[in-house]
Amino acid sequence: KAGVTQTPRYLIKTRGQQVTLSCSPISGHRSVSWYQQTPGQGLQFLFEYFSETQRNKGNFPGRFSGRQFSNSRSEMNVSTLELGDSALYLCASSLGFPRGNTEAFFGQGTRLTVV
Amino acid sequence: DQQVKQNSPSLSVQEGRISILNCDYTNSMFDYFLWYKKYPAEGPTFLISISSIKDKNEDGRFTVFLNKSAKHLSLHIVPSQPGDSAVYFCAASPLTISNFGNEKLTFGTGTRLTIIP
Repeated sequence: KAGVTQTPRYLIKTRGQQVTLSCSPISGHRSVSWYQQTPGQGLQFLFEYFSETQRNKGNFPGRFSGRQFSNSRSEMNVSTLELGDSALYLCASSLGFPRGNTEAFFGQGTRLTVV
Repeated sequence: DQQVKQNSPSLSVQEGRISILNCDYTNSMFDYFLWYKKYPAEGPTFLISISSIKDKNEDGRFTVFLNKSAKHLSLHIVPSQPGDSAVYFCAASPLTISNFGNEKLTFGTGTRLTIIP
């Protein structure tokens, strides 16, 4: 079956702009999580959606937001972009339950560069 | 505050030998641990996981050991192969009352493993 699909793969934006990234999870998966990867910081958890509801949230400013649609596809939005937002944004999907059997499967990521 | 730490940014191992990657955590609420492998320009790939009720889990060449009292886990790869060269991330998930999934993963900063032919 198809894996996790993230679009676009690469993006260049200027400071102050906003950006929307898209993630299509594996068919049947209801949980979608978003992570930011930067050099030296590893993967930082942004938020997780399950059945269209935000279930978990990381320590990121309100400029970072997301949503999930009824077909489990998810989008994340970053407003008023800053240079420090340049990173690889990874989406992960999982069944969402039961616990202990829900390893996350990652997409290839969207490389965002803010200039 | 780095709750999951991988103190070795890089490791080089001869092909055929054992690779040991280490991970320490500070949050006693973590009770589910995973290892992911990442190649450049790709997303992380799940390798192996362990629940806090176990101290060892094995899958082929990969074995994960958990020492809860020391808040330490390690990934053993034996024998190491050139295709194992990648960045390895340790991740941890906290206990949740709802018993729903372990989606809020806290990752370490990764260890770059290089297998020398």
